Amino acid sequence: SQQGEEDPQALSIQEGENATMNCSYKTSINNLQWYRQNSGRGLVHLILIRSNEREKHSGRLRVTLDTSKKSSSLLITASRAADTASYFCATDAGSNYQLIWGAGTKLIIKP
Amino acid sequence: EAQVTQNPRYLITVTGKKLTVTCSQNMNHEYMSWYRQDPGLGLRQIYYSMNVEVTDKGDVPEGYKVSRKEKRNFPLILESPSPNQTSLYFCASSQVFRETQYFGPGTRLLVL
Repeated sequence: SQQGEEDPQALSIQEGENATMNCSYKTSINNLQWYRQNSGRGLVHLILIRSNEREKHSGRLRVTLDTSKKSSSLLITASRAADTASYFCATDAGSNYQLIWGAGTKLIIKP
Repeated sequence: EAQVTQNPRYLITVTGKKLTVTCSQNMNHEYMSWYRQDPGLGLRQIYYSMNVEVTDKGDVPEGYKVSRKEKRNFPLILESPSPNQTSLYFCASSQVFRETQYFGPGTRLLVL
């Protein structure tokens, strides 16, 4: 089945810097979600943005959605060591009632 | 505390020995899913359920069975496990279809 694609696959930055990761998808959506996964653990929901929204904030997180380009970005400002994790996007563009998941961006925050 | 629980968390078994991974949620969610996560392949859906007694196949259902006899429970059954089912398994639930998913902590399975 089709998959969303995140880029970069991996990102390493210094603590305090901003981290930006992107997600692209292929067909129209109703919503796009971002999740965080700490090593080997369950995914945690971060933000859901609907197709009629362009930007959404939650604490240090900012998500944008550009439906014309079929892409979304997740910005984490003032990064902390605890932000080290993998970040996944998921869209409801799938058939058979599925969410379509990207392969994830692995973010490493260096102290 | 609202949560999804899975048991066991870790399991080592041998080829062909039937096993069940349990999943339970205490949020009265309608929708539940099972995923497997493999390096480089991301999350792939195995089965999902839209309500009690309503289940359907996801992307990779071969070798798995599920049942949904009660709203809160959604066990994953491997009737004859094989080494290619070695993986990290997640159960998830949601109140609204294809919206915020609540994930369990994962079950790491090794089939020898």
